[in-house]
Amino acid sequence: GAGVSQTPSNKVTEKGKYVELRCDPISGHTALYWYRQSLGQGPEFLIYFQGTGAADDSGLPNDRFFAVRPEGSVSTLKIQRTERGDSAVYLCASSPYGVAGGQGEQYFGPGTRLTVT
Amino acid sequence: AQSVTQPDIHITVSEGASLELRCNYSYGATPYLFWYVQSPGQGLQLLLKYFSGDTLVQGIKGFEAEFKRSQSSFNLRKPSVHWSDAAEYFCAVGARGGGNKLTFGTGTQLKVEL
Repeated sequence: GAGVSQTPSNKVTEKGKYVELRCDPISGHTALYWYRQSLGQGPEFLIYFQGTGAADDSGLPNDRFFAVRPEGSVSTLKIQRTERGDSAVYLCASSPYGVAGGQGEQYFGPGTRLTVT
Repeated sequence: AQSVTQPDIHITVSEGASLELRCNYSYGATPYLFWYVQSPGQGLQLLLKYFSGDTLVQGIKGFEAEFKRSQSSFNLRKPSVHWSDAAEYFCAVGARGGGNKLTFGTGTQLKVEL
């Protein structure tokens, strides 16, 4: 079946611009996660959705970052007033398990490489 | 707060040799533990996971890992490495009941010499 998909695969933007990154999770997966992977680092947690609501946004670095999942499926990560330090690969993952009793297996998309010039 | 340490940034092994990648974690209770592999331009692929029970876990592609609570370790092993195993390997710990968000190590880059 189809895995997690992310669009665009690459995004180049100028400093100060607004960007949106999209994630299509595996159909039926209730949990959706965003991570950010900087060069030479492991992925870092940004935000987690259970259904439509953001259950944990503790990893968002500041208020320029925002994410939504209005219908409990597709999610969009939004970055305002981009800075060069935002350049990274943004990974999305989905999981069929909920908060209670879940076993945390996450399936990752290929990522969106964001470059801020 | 949970954390993961992968002490080896780069490892080079000969094809056919055995492999062990180290992972140490910090977590207040029994963790969920994972190993993922990432090839250039690819997403993260789950190799194996530990939730509970048998501490020796078998995964895909001939990999296994052993959970050692006393050492806070979850080392990844393979008895005979193939050239196609060259990639970056990430160990991760998941928070039980906390949405299962993952904390990753910085990764180990594996090079395989033919």
